[in-house]
Amino acid sequence: AQRVTQPEKLLSVFKGAPVELKCNYSYSGSPELFWYVQYSRQRLQLLLRHISRESIKGFTADLNKGETSFHLKKPFAQEEDSAMYYCALNNAGNMLTFGGGTRLMVKP
Amino acid sequence: DTAVSQTPKYLVTQMGNDKSIKCEQNLGHDTMYWYKQDSKKFLKIMFSYNNKELIINETVPNRFSPKSPDKAHLNLHINSLELGDSAVYFCASSQVSGRSYEQYFGPGTRLTVT
Repeated sequence: AQRVTQPEKLLSVFKGAPVELKCNYSYSGSPELFWYVQYSRQRLQLLLRHISRESIKGFTADLNKGETSFHLKKPFAQEEDSAMYYCALNNAGNMLTFGGGTRLMVKP
Repeated sequence: DTAVSQTPKYLVTQMGNDKSIKCEQNLGHDTMYWYKQDSKKFLKIMFSYNNKELIINETVPNRFSPKSPDKAHLNLHINSLELGDSAVYFCASSQVSGRSYEQYFGPGTRLTVT
């Protein structure tokens, strides 16, 4: 069975500091991984997906199959990055398995 | 606006009641979903519905039943509500046939059972 683990429930950093939100997964097939973000009082929205290998709002994430990880990184955090971040794995049935979420707080 | 919409936004009801939450998407997607977000912000898939094929997460009680009158709607009906059903329920949709797995989420329905 697939599983997504986000070990940190809360991550607090100062503005301008680097950020890394950890995500580890277990899945027997070829994984499709995503990061979703939920800003305060807003709906969940896609931030980025591993197949795109793109940078969105300064965030990047690299799939490391050896370590079964898909950590989300940003070199310089901004206050507007404060939100809940969810790592998600798409299974063969096209349903997302979410990690427990990490709340990122960026302090001024 | 093209989007996924849900009604109602808030729902407060008593234990034992039956209630429904409606979801509509006008994105032309072929697959719709229901997720439950508990008080600890943990998100869990409940159902996936694609071309009249329903995939149920086995942990969902049978008091929960999705109903899809057409491809653009997937409503969630809940019988005999319990305190533990209190949560935020999110509807989502995606276009699976085109291998675009991005899911678009609705704004959520906050259900409170008293």
